[in-house]
Amino acid sequence: GAGVSQSPSNKVTEKGKDVELRCDPISGHTALYWYRQSLGQGLEFLIYFQGNSAPDKSGLPSDRFSAERTGGSVSTLTIQRTQQEDSAVYLCASSLEFRDSYGYTFGSGTRLTVV
Amino acid sequence: ILNVEQSPQSLHVQEGDSTNFTCSFPSSNFYALHWYRWETAKSPEALFVMTLNGDEKKKGRISATLNTKEGYSYLYIKGSQPEDSATYLCAFNDYKLSFGAGTTVTVRA
Repeated sequence: GAGVSQSPSNKVTEKGKDVELRCDPISGHTALYWYRQSLGQGLEFLIYFQGNSAPDKSGLPSDRFSAERTGGSVSTLTIQRTQQEDSAVYLCASSLEFRDSYGYTFGSGTRLTVV
Repeated sequence: ILNVEQSPQSLHVQEGDSTNFTCSFPSSNFYALHWYRWETAKSPEALFVMTLNGDEKKKGRISATLNTKEGYSYLYIKGSQPEDSATYLCAFNDYKLSFGAGTTVTVRA
């Protein structure tokens, strides 16, 4: 597609439920990133995929968070047993390659609210 | 976790005035510095990717400078317009982007 697509755009879930957030990067972009912004906070790195390499999961805040990227394209971020502190805007970004000189292209985000 | 700091956190500018704000970042192992503009209800948009010490980049009325030796970058907005109202993020690029908290600019008509 023309841009990075994320779905859903908004998600309200009950505490303790699992949620899946989807990211469809720009076709041909080998690098894909997940970030989140909690209320009043800056953008926090979560996970990074580059081609067929093992993902960098160093930013995942707990083992309730996981992500996968199938076929080097679509990525799914899964949060199990959601907690209220998981409420945030989750942003996905992609770039043509590692350390892309054109910058990242971001999706419009998924606003997750845990009630 | 890399320490990327932006100041001020927010500023209000009268339409037509010029303004600037700062991003500081680690000066060691520098690869690139990114600037993004994030408007409300939209996704962050890349403004500049800067790699060379002394680099200056310009896009319309917005420009940026880079000092990698001392670890800072300035972003300038000349003749601010209401459509410049946004949060401006800088990010240090090693193999992923580490973002500052942003400077939120509000331009008053």
